Order: sequence, then C-alpha cells, then structure tokens
Amino acid sequence: SQQGEEDPQALSIQEGENATMNCSYKTSINNLQWYRQNSGRGLVHLILIRSNEREKHSGRLRVTLDTSKKSSSLLITASRAADTASYFCATDWPNSGNTPLVFGKGTRLSVIA
Amino acid sequence: GAVVSQHPSRVICKSGTSVKIECRSLDFQATTMFWYRQFPKQSLMLMATSNEGSKATYEQGVEKDKFLINHASLTLSTLTVTSAHPEDSSFYICSAITAYQETQYFGPGTRLLVL
Repeated sequence: SQQGEEDPQALSIQEGENATMNCSYKTSINNLQWYRQNSGRGLVHLILIRSNEREKHSGRLRVTLDTSKKSSSLLITASRAADTASYFCATDWPNSGNTPLVFGKGTRLSVIA
Repeated sequence: GAVVSQHPSRVICKSGTSVKIECRSLDFQATTMFWYRQFPKQSLMLMATSNEGSKATYEQGVEKDKFLINHASLTLSTLTVTSAHPEDSSFYICSAITAYQETQYFGPGTRLLVL
C-alpha cells in the first residue's frame, strides 16, 4: 500500500492566501520529499527534509516533519496562480541505499487569481 | 541542477505494437533509474528499478515480459511496452539517482495512448 497519504485531496484558495497540505506515512524513513506536478507534466523537486530535521524553509515554502506522528506538512505562503499544481509527498525506506520513492496520492491545489 | 530527459514526450500507437521510451540523465551518471506509471488524477506507482548493467527489479503485478527495461549505460535506460493494449495507456515517468544521492530527479514523462 502507499506509504504517504496527503490531505486534503483538493484545495482551492485565493491568490495571496497561504496553502497548507499535510502528509502522513506509515513506516520509518530516512527522509521525506515534496514534489510538484503541473498537469500532465513531470515532477519538480521542491524540498527534502531528513528524519532528524523538524522544519525546513525554501523561499515561500515551509516544510515540517513530525516523526513521532509520522506526518509532514507543506506550507506555501503568499500563493500565486502559478502555484496551481498537484503536490506529492514521497518517502524512502531507511537503511536501504538507492531506493525508489513511495508517493502519496497528492493534493490538487488551485490558486484563483 | 540535474536534468533528466524522456523521449518521446507523447506517443500514440495501435494495439499490438511495441513502444520504446528513453530516459536519459543529461548531466550526471545515474547508477539507478526508476520507472513509474501514473494514471489520470492518481499518484505515481513504481513499476521497476533499473540498475546499470544488471537486470531490472519489477514490482509485484508488473509483467517483466511486457515491460522490458534496459539500462545499458550510466546515462540511459529504456522502457519498451511490448504488444501494447489500450489499458497500457498511461503517463510513464522515469527518475534517476546516483550513488548515495538523496534526491531523485524526474523526467518530464511520456504520455502513451494505445488505440
């Protein structure tokens, strides 16, 4: 079964508002990554947070990780219409080298101008 | 940054034909490449793991004789969908990683439509 589960499945906000997406996973991890996918396109890597980190920032993105709850959140501040996309969290498996990523179902974000 | 390309980006074929999709790491050597499949409005599902110079490892439920994977060099992996059927229509995405690298870099995907 899929490792990650995002919620909400869909989110619609006005431009300028903040968008928060959550991700839960099931097993221990080395790291958790967030990706963005525009409709019908490939994935763009946004940010990686390691299991020993609790928070990470990159521009308008803020990611938190709570390993005790096996959850992560992605906050996009001051959203723009160009942020409209699907956002996926992905986890690896610990102690297993070059492993594939296990993706959640994604959150479809719509930012209305 | 690391760039991964895929070719073709879009392909339409007749049922029963074979289609080859290429995945290339353009500016780094990829010891491992992964092939994912994504159906509309769904997540990515891993199909197989491809290590350079060795046989691919397929996920449960993925037919190795139908989805042939070749990783002949450190910059190229190919996925061949043999005897394609309409249910094989999907978005195929590859990713590449080098040894001990944490971040996977994804190709732009190939949309396959089988008529």
